[in-house]
Amino acid sequence: GESVGLHLPTLSVQEGDNSIINCAYSNSASDYFIWYKQESGKGPQFIIDIRSNMDKRQGQRVTVLLNKTVKHLSLQIAATQPGDSAVYFCASNYPGTASKLTFGTGTRLQVTL
Amino acid sequence: KAGVTQTPRYLIKTRGQQVTLSCSPISGHRSVSWYQQTPGQGLQFLFEYFSETQRNKGNFPGRFSGRQFSNSRSEMNVSTLELGDSALYLCASSLRGGTNTGELFFGEGSRLTVL
Repeated sequence: GESVGLHLPTLSVQEGDNSIINCAYSNSASDYFIWYKQESGKGPQFIIDIRSNMDKRQGQRVTVLLNKTVKHLSLQIAATQPGDSAVYFCASNYPGTASKLTFGTGTRLQVTL
Repeated sequence: KAGVTQTPRYLIKTRGQQVTLSCSPISGHRSVSWYQQTPGQGLQFLFEYFSETQRNKGNFPGRFSGRQFSNSRSEMNVSTLELGDSALYLCASSLRGGTNTGELFFGEGSRLTVL
């Protein structure tokens, strides 16, 4: 079965620093990975995604890195801002599972001033 | 463009009762997925509906069921509620629910408390 885990439950960074949130997955058949951000009282919000045929993808202030060899992905947030404070989830699926995402347990990012 | 709307936002039930939660997807979206979120288990997939048909199902007991209407609105039902069913139930919609699920848009959820 699929399981997705995170290395740290809470990450505290200073405003302006870069944040790196890590995630490990177990199913080598996983071919699509997504990062979501969830603010208090809200549903998860899509940040960035990456397919297994890529190693890196960049968005606005965010970068996702995928290492298929060790089944690990990370989310990098540049110049972290207070508005980035939230819980971040990685999720994945594999061919044929459509919207059946497997989510990690989440990392809470705390941005200190 | 309105987002995913879930009702009710909060509700309290007692053990043994049943509950029905409603989800209105983004206009034009035909796929609706349901997830349960708890502190202990995190986000877990319940089921997905596309064009009124259940396309995928997670590992939940038969007490959890759902349906989708012709206008893509969806409902999920939990019968014989247990304390462990207390959770945030999230609905997500996407245009077609394919493997490109980055287009999954979540609602704010229905928080169910079972006493």
